[in-house]
Amino acid sequence: QKEVEQNSGPLSVPEGAIASLNCTYSDRVSQSFFWYRQYSGKSPELIMSIYSNGDKEDGRFTAQLNKASQYVSLLIRDSQPSDSATYLCAVPMDSNYQLIWGAGTKLIIKP
Amino acid sequence: DVKVTQSSRYLVKRTGEKVFLECVQDMDHENMFWYRQDPGLGLRLIYFSYDVKMKEKGDIPEGYSVSREKKERFSLILESASTNQTSMYLCASSPRTVADTQYFGPGTRLTVL
Repeated sequence: QKEVEQNSGPLSVPEGAIASLNCTYSDRVSQSFFWYRQYSGKSPELIMSIYSNGDKEDGRFTAQLNKASQYVSLLIRDSQPSDSATYLCAVPMDSNYQLIWGAGTKLIIKP
Repeated sequence: DVKVTQSSRYLVKRTGEKVFLECVQDMDHENMFWYRQDPGLGLRLIYFSYDVKMKEKGDIPEGYSVSREKKERFSLILESASTNQTSMYLCASSPRTVADTQYFGPGTRLTVL
């Protein structure tokens, strides 16, 4: 059974600080990894994808992938109240059609 | 921009009714998905389709069926609605492979009384 695990939170971070979100997965052959953001009452939207070991930066967001340790993380620099949301990690299955979803981490940015 | 639309944002039905949820995408995507999302349980895949008239069961297909007669449209059917099917239903599509992102519709919040 392939699994994706996240700490459900809530994770509370002061405004302007770095928020660090983590995700571990059980499938050693996974090649791509996705971070989605979901605001309360809204649907998920993609914010980052990462395919190679190391860091990928996009504005205030950095995704970090460590395949040997089977974890992927998302860092949000200079956190803003608008970053308050649930962040979902998703990892593909072998079938190439399905994503396995983590349960999500609720992030709260305190002004 | 990719657009995925769902027929209703909110829906209230009675136990035993047949319920149709429709999803339309306008980007010629091959794959379409139906999820339900419940507090504490995350996103759970009900059914997906990788081509017209093709469908595959997801993790929780019981009590549901689907139809994909046209590439852009994917319908979810609750044959006889029950109270435990009260949930947020999300439709998504993706272009070709799962290496491509999934794009979500706005969701339908279904309440079964």
